[in-house]
Amino acid sequence: SQTIHQWPATLVQPVGSPLSLECTVEGTSNPNLYWYRQAAGRGLQLLFYSVGIGQISSEVPQNLSASRPQDRQFILSSKKLLLSDSGFYLCAWSVWGPRGGARGTGELFFGEGSRLTVL
Amino acid sequence: DAKTTQPPSMDCAEGRAANLPCNHSTISGNEYVYWYRQIHSQGPQYIIHGLKNNETNEMASLIITEDRKSSTLILPHATLRDTAVYYCIVRGSNAGGTSYGKLTFGQGTILTVHP
Repeated sequence: SQTIHQWPATLVQPVGSPLSLECTVEGTSNPNLYWYRQAAGRGLQLLFYSVGIGQISSEVPQNLSASRPQDRQFILSSKKLLLSDSGFYLCAWSVWGPRGGARGTGELFFGEGSRLTVL
Repeated sequence: DAKTTQPPSMDCAEGRAANLPCNHSTISGNEYVYWYRQIHSQGPQYIIHGLKNNETNEMASLIITEDRKSSTLILPHATLRDTAVYYCIVRGSNAGGTSYGKLTFGQGTILTVHP
């Protein structure tokens, strides 16, 4: 069965420090991968998505970057954190057929989330 | 992807059916209706999705109107553990073009199940 893990689960970082959140997926190949952020009391915002190794698309301009060094690994980074980077970060994956369309139900599977507090 | 409109909050008594409405009047012919829920401090969980026929699974039922401009998620016997934010999302099934399987979440409906 497929599983998704992201870590760390919780972290507190000072303003200006670097960030690295990691997400890995097991039990599937060539997934689409996504990073979402949820600020306190607000909805989920898509930050990045990736359809393959080294392929990253950014949805919103920001202080963060993403990388996909391996098929099932997705990393969210920042060189210098801002207060506004605080939030709940969620990694997700989905699987799509070679011509588009969905294999299975086409839903996104989310990780457990990483709660970042920037002080 | 079409936008959706949901009530910001709803209450339901434990053991009763919870009926969560969603309006998606600009839905196009190849767009599906997806429902997710998010329990506090957890990642969203897929519930159900449909195109035009009503759907049922072990978690819920999805009723889509004939004109597809609205739908209702039904939790037949709500429990306290069903308290969560419920998101209705409309999306095409084809990952080609600019979709890439992305889901755009709105504010959802906060469902509170009372004892």
